[in-house]
Amino acid sequence: DIVMTQAPLSVSVTPGESASISCRSSKSLLHSNGITYVYWYLQKPGKSPQLLIYRMSNLASGVPDRFSGSGSETDFTLKISRVEAEDVGIYYCGQLLENPLTFGSGTKLEIK
Amino acid sequence: QVTLKESGPGMLQPSQTLSLTCTFSGTSLSTSNMGLSWLRQPSGKGLEWLASIWNNDNYYNPSLRSRLTISKETSKNQVLLKFTSMEPADTATYYCATGSYFDYWGQGVMVTVSS
Repeated sequence: DIVMTQAPLSVSVTPGESASISCRSSKSLLHSNGITYVYWYLQKPGKSPQLLIYRMSNLASGVPDRFSGSGSETDFTLKISRVEAEDVGIYYCGQLLENPLTFGSGTKLEIK
Repeated sequence: QVTLKESGPGMLQPSQTLSLTCTFSGTSLSTSNMGLSWLRQPSGKGLEWLASIWNNDNYYNPSLRSRLTISKETSKNQVLLKFTSMEPADTATYYCATGSYFDYWGQGVMVTVSS
């Protein structure tokens, strides 16, 4: 199974500042078709997860452009610019390249 | 607007079979490249993918394959999941999600396995 490792476990951010969350995969997520199959989700308190970023760097519909995704074949970053109170929750990275589809253990974002 | 809603028994006893239904609207399983998946999340823990159905193909998490069956009722816009030999460790919130990227999620249904 592909293991997804996230860091940090939690991050506390002042509103208006930026935050970065890292995710590392145990295997390259770059397919021969040129697509990198890493995804980012946010689970707000008491809610279902929601898609933020697909295929490493593409913003999902309706997601503010304060969110961005980047990375290489095995190392990925979610950046949140100008953090707002509504951004609190747990962020998960996931790989949709291979069965079984797997997720990181999550990074909790809190507001200072 | 795609919406999904999970339904299930809420509580069951060890060794019983869990039957879950995902009822959705705003899309159709007969649409090309339309897939639906089941995932779960124990309280306070991370996400685990269970199974997906794409067109006429089913995919399962190998670690749970022997216990899972995913199926669809296209005319009813429903996808079903059967999970046999339930045990307390299977206590979790079960979600259905659709799309290539888990674009849309249901609200989840909490399932407790306890004697």
